[in-house]
Amino acid sequence: DARVTQTPRHKVTEMGQEVTMRCQPILGHNTVFWYRQTMMQGLELLAYFRNRAPLDDSGMPKDRFSAEMPDATLATLKIQPSEPRDSAVYFCASGWGQGYEQFFGPGTRLTVL
Amino acid sequence: QKEVEQNSGPLSVPEGAIASLNCTYSDRVSQSFFWYRQYSGKSPELIMSIYSNGDKEDGRFTAQLNKASQYVSLLIRDSQPSDSATYLCAVNMAGGFKTIFGAGTRLFVKA
Repeated sequence: DARVTQTPRHKVTEMGQEVTMRCQPILGHNTVFWYRQTMMQGLELLAYFRNRAPLDDSGMPKDRFSAEMPDATLATLKIQPSEPRDSAVYFCASGWGQGYEQFFGPGTRLTVL
Repeated sequence: QKEVEQNSGPLSVPEGAIASLNCTYSDRVSQSFFWYRQYSGKSPELIMSIYSNGDKEDGRFTAQLNKASQYVSLLIRDSQPSDSATYLCAVNMAGGFKTIFGAGTRLFVKA
């Protein structure tokens, strides 16, 4: 049963701390997306990769967010330093080819106090 | 104008009825269109994709696309209480990998 996995599922941290979220895309998928979802803003695209290369990270606050794919089985999203306004659910999704059809992971629920 | 617009709802229909969900988009050259279902506290799940004008049917679901009107819809026949969820319309921007999601329409199916 191929699924996107994300860790941790829940994270509570204090303002100013570093947060790292991890994603394992479905084996064989070459396109990976990071999204953030809040009640106010809905689902926002933060960054995406194809064949591990970053294609667009214009949705991320550059001063504090960074996204990487150190290998084909791992994508990371880091926030440093974290702020209360970063509290949201962060989803990773993967796809193949053009990545049009995306398969979402269970999400990481982040709370920054 | 938002790139992808949906009525936020809630849309309430009785069990067994047809639920009609609508979406409009602003980019005339968009080529790929999707409907995702998201249950409360869960992640979005792809339920339909459509790439050309007309209707596409899959079980109780029918997606309709009209590129001239920049309009996508999802019909759910014989609605069930288990269909109660938020439905997200997603549009892929032509020439790239970027997909824009609408804010979603909440659907309630009353037993």
